[in-house]
Amino acid sequence: AQSVTQLDSHVSVSEGTPVLLRCNYSSSYSPSLFWYVQHPNKGLQLLLKYTSAATLVKGINGFEAEFKKSETSFHLTKPSAHMSDAAEYFCVVSESGGSYIPTFGRGTSLIVHP
Amino acid sequence: EAQVTQNPRYLITVTGKKLTVTCSQNMNHEYMSWYRQDPGLGLRQIYYSMNVEVTDKGDVPEGYKVSRKEKRNFPLILESPSPNQTSLYFCASSPRARVENEQFFGPGTRLTVL
Repeated sequence: AQSVTQLDSHVSVSEGTPVLLRCNYSSSYSPSLFWYVQHPNKGLQLLLKYTSAATLVKGINGFEAEFKKSETSFHLTKPSAHMSDAAEYFCVVSESGGSYIPTFGRGTSLIVHP
Repeated sequence: EAQVTQNPRYLITVTGKKLTVTCSQNMNHEYMSWYRQDPGLGLRQIYYSMNVEVTDKGDVPEGYKVSRKEKRNFPLILESPSPNQTSLYFCASSPRARVENEQFFGPGTRLTVL
C-alpha cells in the first residue's frame, strides 16, 4: 500500500529566501515520486519526478528534491523564492507492483511575501 | 499544441439532472484518468482507463460513470448528480500506465450541484 503525507498545509516565506516543502511517503514497492504545482485557476503541472535514478532531482524553475529512502522523504526545495512561486504544491507517489492509482498528498499552499 | 481539454469549464446544475463532462487529449496517450479536488483533501482518483474499452475504478467511483470508446476521449458522466459531487474535476492523461510516467492535466471543470 502507498501513502503520502505533506507535513505543512501552508508555508509562508519572503521573496528571496529559501523554500522547503516537506513530503513523507510510504510504499511497499519501489516508488516513483512526483511534485506538481497548481497556480490559481489552473491545472497541475509537473515540477520534477524521481524514478529510481539519481536521488537528487532537479526540476523546472529552480526547484529540486532529494529522495531519502532511509527517511522515506522527498522534500522540495528552492534556494530563493520568487513571487511567481506562490501556488499549491502536491507530492504524489506511485508504486510498481500495485495497481496504477497514484496517491496525492493534500497539498501545501506556498505564500510568498514581498 | 499538445494538451488536454475539458468542457465545460464551469457548470451549475440541479440535483438529479444528468450531465457529462468531456475530456479530450491530442497526444495519443493510452492512459487517461479523472480526479476530483476538494479543499484539504488533495486530488482523489475517480476512474482511470488503461486504453480503449478498458476502464477501472479509482478511489472514489461512486456516483460516476466513464467510457473510453476512442483513444482521445474520456467523458465523465454523472447520471444523477448530488450536492456532495460539487467539486473541481480534472482530467489527466499519460503516455502509458507506468508508474514512472508523469500525467498531463486539463484546466479543470468546476461543478456546482444545487
